[in-house]
Amino acid sequence: EIVLTQSPATLSLSPGERATLSCRASQSVSTFLAWYQQKPGQAPRLLIYDASNRATGVPARFSGSGSGTDFTLTISSLEPEDFAVYYCHHRDNWPPWTFGQGTKVEIK
Amino acid sequence: QVQLVQSGAELKRPGASVKVSCKASGYIFTTYAMHWLRQAPGQRPEWMGWITTGTGDTKYSPKFHDRITFTTDTSAGTAYMELNSLTSEDTAIYYCARFSIFGVVGFDYWGQGTLVTVSS
Repeated sequence: EIVLTQSPATLSLSPGERATLSCRASQSVSTFLAWYQQKPGQAPRLLIYDASNRATGVPARFSGSGSGTDFTLTISSLEPEDFAVYYCHHRDNWPPWTFGQGTKVEIK
Repeated sequence: QVQLVQSGAELKRPGASVKVSCKASGYIFTTYAMHWLRQAPGQRPEWMGWITTGTGDTKYSPKFHDRITFTTDTSAGTAYMELNSLTSEDTAIYYCARFSIFGVVGFDYWGQGTLVTVSS
């Protein structure tokens, strides 16, 4: 089973600041990595797929990069609605598919 | 518009079974696989498996493979997840999620979640 480790656990930032979230895989996942945003009481929302592609309707301030074992989600300038928990997720032909433990982006 | 609407909250005793439904609308049901995930309070989502809605083929996470069953009623556009031998550790919100491979690749639509509480 591939383990995804996210850092930091919590990111305390102010609106307008840049957020950089990390996800590291225990073995190469190529670019089969996605990022999801989750707000309290809601289901996760797909932001980035295949490491660097924005999902439909996702603002351009969200960007993803990386391949192999190291991935980054960047929010260029935080908007009030961006304060949430972010999960990275790996998909593969062989189960199980796994999620990272999450990074909470909170208002400083 | 695409919608996934799940059945309501459940309270179950340890050892019982639960069956959650997920009714899809707004798209051709058999075009997309349906996945099931769960999320315990304060925890990361946990992937449980998928069903290929067009064929009924299933793939389960090894963690659940001996006590989980996915089925569909294609005429009703509905997917079902049944989990047996419940324990308190199965208390979680259970989600169905459509997995897209057309353009966007990922869980592009989710149900609203079904809270399953296991308690004596």
